[in-house]
Formats: sequence, structure tokens, C-alpha cells
Amino acid sequence: DVKVTQSSRYLVKRTGEKVFLECVQDMDHENMFWYRQDPGLGLRLIYFSYDVKMKEKGDIPEGYSVSREKKERFSLILESASTNQTSMYLCASSWTGNQPQHFGDGTRLSIL
Amino acid sequence: EDKVVQSPLSLVVHEGDTVTLNCSYEVTNFRSLLWYKQEKKAPTFLFMLTSSGIEKKSGRLSSILDKKELFSILNITATQTGDSAVYLCAGTNSGGSNYKLTFGKGTLLTVNP
Repeated sequence: DVKVTQSSRYLVKRTGEKVFLECVQDMDHENMFWYRQDPGLGLRLIYFSYDVKMKEKGDIPEGYSVSREKKERFSLILESASTNQTSMYLCASSWTGNQPQHFGDGTRLSIL
Repeated sequence: EDKVVQSPLSLVVHEGDTVTLNCSYEVTNFRSLLWYKQEKKAPTFLFMLTSSGIEKKSGRLSSILDKKELFSILNITATQTGDSAVYLCAGTNSGGSNYKLTFGKGTLLTVNP
């Protein structure tokens, strides 16, 4: 079974802090993704990566950056956290572009 | 801009009922449509549909895609309380960013005993 692990289930940070969310997958998947999920808005893609050191912006990249130094790990960085970044963050991975994405359990991030 | 619309947004049924969830899409260079079930944590994959008119089944769940009318349905027969969840539909494209899923907002299904 595919295992996508997100480092924290719950996280509380302060406005202006630099925040790192980590995601690791154990299936040697090429593609990795970061989404945020908000009530009434659904899942929205922030960034994705189709190879090590490669990244592409999704629909809502503003205020975020990503890092993929190793194939199995994809990090989401909030450069200077703001209250409107309070959300559920979901990481996903897939083998190729046309294979289903498999999701981690999510990190519920609160910015105070 | 790609768009996926699900209906209804929420649904309450009794155990044993049959439900149909709807998903319409407008996705540039459409490649496939996926269904996920989300309980309290990670969305879990149910089906991926790429061909029109071919039903996919898994137990009491089934799904079909109509590429001419740009929609898909997810059927659940003999519902159980364990089917209570948010059901998500997503479309993928085969353009330059061919790894991108566009999600609908989901249908919240509540199955009462």
C-alpha cells in the first residue's frame, strides 16, 4: 500500500513565522503535490513537482514556496505566515501523470 | 479555467437507500475523471474513469463517465452508515501541466441508521 506521511497532524504558529510542512512518500513516486482544503472552496492546488528539484505553480501559489531535494520528500514553506493561511494542508503523490494521486492524512495548520 | 461541479452539496439518506452523486466538468484537454471518498482524514481513491460508457464497479459502488455530456455519476446501493463521508470528484487534463487535478467541492453524504 502507498504510504504518504505528513510530519504533523496539527500545528499552531504565529503570524510572520516561517513554517515548514513536510511530506514523505514511500513508493518512489515521480509526482508530488500540495493542496489546501477549506470549507466551501474544496481542494485547491498550491504547488506540484514532477521530479527532484522541479516544481510548478498550481492555482494558489502566492505566499508559499516548495522544496524537493530528494524524490521521496516534498516540503511546503510558508515564508511569512498569515492568518488567511489557516487551513487543512494535504500532500499527495502519484506514479505518473495519469495515475491516481494518493493522499496523506493532512496537517491542520492554525496561524494566530 | 478548468471547473468541476458536484451536486448535490449534501445529502441525507437512510441505511439501505440507493444514492446517485453527480459530477460535471469543464476541463481543457480532458484525460480522466477520479472519485475519492474522504472521511476524517485523507481522501481515499475510489475510481478513475477514462472511457465513456464503461461502468466501473467495486462492491456496492459503481461509476460511469459520459464524455459527450461531460459528466460522471457515482452510485452507491444499499447504503450503510460507513458510507457517510465527503465524496470528491476531480478531472485531469493532458495538456502541458498534465499532472493537475481540478477538484469539485464535494458531496457530503450522511447515512442514518
